[in-house]
Amino acid sequence: AQSVTQLGSHVSVSEGALVLLRCNYSSSVPPYLFWYVQYPNQGLQLLLKYTSAATLVKGINGFEAEFKKSETSFHLTKPSAHMSDAAEYFCAVRSGGYQKVTFGTGTKLQVIP
Amino acid sequence: KAGVTQTPRYLIKTRGQQVTLSCSPISGHRSVSWYQQTPGQGLQFLFEYFSETQRNKGNFPGRFSGRQFSNSRSEMNVSTLELGDSALYLCASSIGQGTGSYEQYFGPGTRLTVT
Repeated sequence: AQSVTQLGSHVSVSEGALVLLRCNYSSSVPPYLFWYVQYPNQGLQLLLKYTSAATLVKGINGFEAEFKKSETSFHLTKPSAHMSDAAEYFCAVRSGGYQKVTFGTGTKLQVIP
Repeated sequence: KAGVTQTPRYLIKTRGQQVTLSCSPISGHRSVSWYQQTPGQGLQFLFEYFSETQRNKGNFPGRFSGRQFSNSRSEMNVSTLELGDSALYLCASSIGQGTGSYEQYFGPGTRLTVT
């Protein structure tokens, strides 16, 4: 079984501040983990992925995430928020093989000027 | 490469009708997954097709069905529409097997409104 928990359905940060979006996962086997971003009325765009190579993963738009097995976490960070980062972010897990992907409930990021 | 395309982008239907949504994956991708997204339930997995076979299935009633063609294009059908079927339906494609098969690329979605 696999699951994803995203802590905080809404997060607000000031422009230029650190962005931290939390994701914890549960998986019976080594997982593949993803972060996606969704802008209003659009589909999801892949930000980054963890597939058991480096534990610190860099993605697009300055985002990165660190896989911590001991904490079963895969938090998303960005050093300095831009107004254009305002969107909804989804963490997702796939427990290897050809299992379905399970998405978290999403975190809406608001960036305050 | 062209991205994932979904047609139509918007659709309004009446309760009791049926609807067919179409998805064309990225060239070379053989897996297509469908998701329903609503404000209350979030992103829910419907089913995944790989090489014309259903590989995974979510917990939706039998009114929701899908298929995949030999060119990897996929359709999903919802029969006897209910008000609760109003949602954004997202299609995602992936390579489907081997290394690097795990990430999915999403289309823009079809916004279905049932009145």
